[in-house]
Amino acid sequence: QKEVEQDPGPLSVPEGAIVSLNCTYSNSAFQYFMWYRQYSRKGPELLMYTYSSGNKEDGRFTAQVDKSSKYISLFIRDSQPSDSATYLCASRSSYKLIFGSGTRLLVRP
Amino acid sequence: DGGITQSPKYLFRKEGQNVTLSCEQNLNHDAMYWYRQDPGQGLRLIYYSQIVNDFQKGDIAEGYSVSREKKESFPLTVTSAQKNPTAFYLCASRPPGLAGTVGEQFFGPGTRLTVL
Repeated sequence: QKEVEQDPGPLSVPEGAIVSLNCTYSNSAFQYFMWYRQYSRKGPELLMYTYSSGNKEDGRFTAQVDKSSKYISLFIRDSQPSDSATYLCASRSSYKLIFGSGTRLLVRP
Repeated sequence: DGGITQSPKYLFRKEGQNVTLSCEQNLNHDAMYWYRQDPGQGLRLIYYSQIVNDFQKGDIAEGYSVSREKKESFPLTVTSAQKNPTAFYLCASRPPGLAGTVGEQFFGPGTRLTVL
């Protein structure tokens, strides 16, 4: 079993839709959780991080962690075509990051 | 501008040849990382270095080698022993302080290696 699992998609939504991206993890010791966005043929860039359980909001993006179910979510409100990218969830393990496989999102105009 | 540079952007190699991928950063970060990305598999850690002259194997180090002689530079050599080297290679660095504690990493633009 992978330590961080993520549905690869692709996920296709119309512009303006609310997008829900999800990951599960297996190691209950994980405390820091991150979402990276990666445009095609580029390096990933950090979108948001959360510590332990709870929600964190930044503009149209909300990150949510439920430690009881080991579930990580990223919500995108009012999605835009420019949000089309691959979204990678990750968790910190010592000095390393453990990444999910990434979910490819396409927002149709 | 501070950042991470990787060169070249595209690299073609014949089977049996070693090739070195460059990674340079001017962010003054101590920790640097090399990842490999294959379709549908996310990022897998090859090697990492927390300080100059020290590095550790990641999850898929076989067939790769690194050096860390300078803080700014962390080159990756893909050797002929790597059985399936065609992939997208990403270099990253981790800042000190809170961001580093969280685990944030800054990534370069990547090098796409194709073995012919």
